[in-house]
Amino acid sequence: EPEVTQTPSHQVTQMGQEVILRCVPISNHLYFYWYRQILGQKVEFLVSFYNNEISEKSEIFDDQFSVERPDGSNFTLKIRSTKLEDSAMYFCASRDRDAYNEQFFGPGTRLTVL
Amino acid sequence: SQQGEEDPQALSIQEGENATMNCSYKTSINNLQWYRQNSGRGLVHLILIRSNEREKHSGRLRVTLDTSKKSSSLLITASRAADTASYFCATDPRNTGGFKTIFGAGTRLFVKA
Repeated sequence: EPEVTQTPSHQVTQMGQEVILRCVPISNHLYFYWYRQILGQKVEFLVSFYNNEISEKSEIFDDQFSVERPDGSNFTLKIRSTKLEDSAMYFCASRDRDAYNEQFFGPGTRLTVL
Repeated sequence: SQQGEEDPQALSIQEGENATMNCSYKTSINNLQWYRQNSGRGLVHLILIRSNEREKHSGRLRVTLDTSKKSSSLLITASRAADTASYFCATDPRNTGGFKTIFGAGTRLFVKA
């Protein structure tokens, strides 16, 4: 069964460093999403991406964040200058051509900012 | 206040009992989804119910949706220890075209063997 994959599974970085989190969505999916979950808290929407552009973003997704789909398979989330409060699990998700169908989530990347 | 609030926040039951979790939301939606998350792991999609549906079943899961009350419930029948996890409802607000999904705070379910 096709699945969303994410790398790395765990990323440790120093405050102020740039990180890139990578996702490979399911191949025929058209809608892509990033979420984050701070330890013990709920899952928060960050951004959605469709047709090579951002469709919707939350107030969390400020200028320090960016997303890219550099080729036909990868979908990346970049944090330019990490802060301590960026420490969280980051989940990628994708959806097929029906925007109201279920989202398939990846296993997540645990980001630890020291 | 937030879109997608579950109650109870935590639920502890014996294996074999039924578990009911509720979710309330504030804006009109296109659909509502339930997800399960084992501790520190990824999100597993359980079931999606569209705004024009009232009830849906999948195995031991039963989901209801009452759009007039802006609420949903998830029933897990004959629970097993393996059902121990956090359960989240997630809504797609109608005005976002499927581009935004809002999660609730979740219910932590503990099933005792």
